[in-house]
Amino acid sequence: KNEVEQSPQNLTAQEGEFITINCSYSVGISALHWLQQHPGGGIVSLFMLSSRKKKHGRLIATINIQEKHSSLHITASHPRDSAVYICAVPRIGTDKLIFGTGTRLQVFP
Amino acid sequence: GAGVSQSPRYKVAKRGQDVALRCDPISGHVSLFWYQQALGQGPEFLTYFQNEAQLDKSGLPSDRFFAERPEGSVSTLKIQRTQQEDSAVYLCASSIRPPRVGGLTYEQYFGPGTRLTVT
Repeated sequence: KNEVEQSPQNLTAQEGEFITINCSYSVGISALHWLQQHPGGGIVSLFMLSSRKKKHGRLIATINIQEKHSSLHITASHPRDSAVYICAVPRIGTDKLIFGTGTRLQVFP
Repeated sequence: GAGVSQSPRYKVAKRGQDVALRCDPISGHVSLFWYQQALGQGPEFLTYFQNEAQLDKSGLPSDRFFAERPEGSVSTLKIQRTQQEDSAVYLCASSIRPPRVGGLTYEQYFGPGTRLTVT
C-alpha cells in the first residue's frame, strides 16, 4: 500500500464543473502539499497546508489531520486547469517529500 | 524574481553514455532536493543537500548516480553509464531552509525538470 494515495487517477469534466480530488496518507506529517504539473514536466506548488483550509482564487484545499485526508477543490473549472494534480507529504522532521501518483484532470470546453 | 532553473530541459543519451544535469536553485535557498519521475508515476526522492552538505542520498538508485553541490548553490546530478531504466524526468527543488525543530516544514519550489531519454 502506498503511503500517499490519490483518487481518482483520471478525471474528466465539462467547463464550469466543480472538481474534487482526494488524497489519503498513512504517515505522520507536519504539512501537506498540493502541486500542479503541466505537460512538459514543470511542477508548481499550489498549497502547503497544515490545518483545515486554504483558498487561492478558484482553488480550495482542505485537510483533516485526524483522518489523514485532504481534498483539493476547483470551482468553475476551466480548460486551462487541465493538468496533473499531485499530493505530497514530507516525512516528519524532514522536507523529503513522498508523492502520490497524481490525478490527471482534463476539462473540456 | 528568478525561480529554480534546470538545464538542459531535454537530453537524449545513448546507453552507456555519462550525463550531467544542472540545477540552479533560488538564490539564498539552503535546502536542495533531486527527485526522479518515471513516466506516469509521481516523483520519487533521490537526494538532499543542506548548503554544500549532502545529508541524505538514500534515494539514489545505484552507484552510477552521483550528486554534488560544492559551493552550496548550483547542484549537478551525474549519471554514469546510463541505462534505459534511467529514462525519466529529473526534478530539482529548493526551499529557503531546513525544517524547524518539531518538524515544521517549508515550501519547496520546483524547477521545470530535465527529461532524460536513454536510447
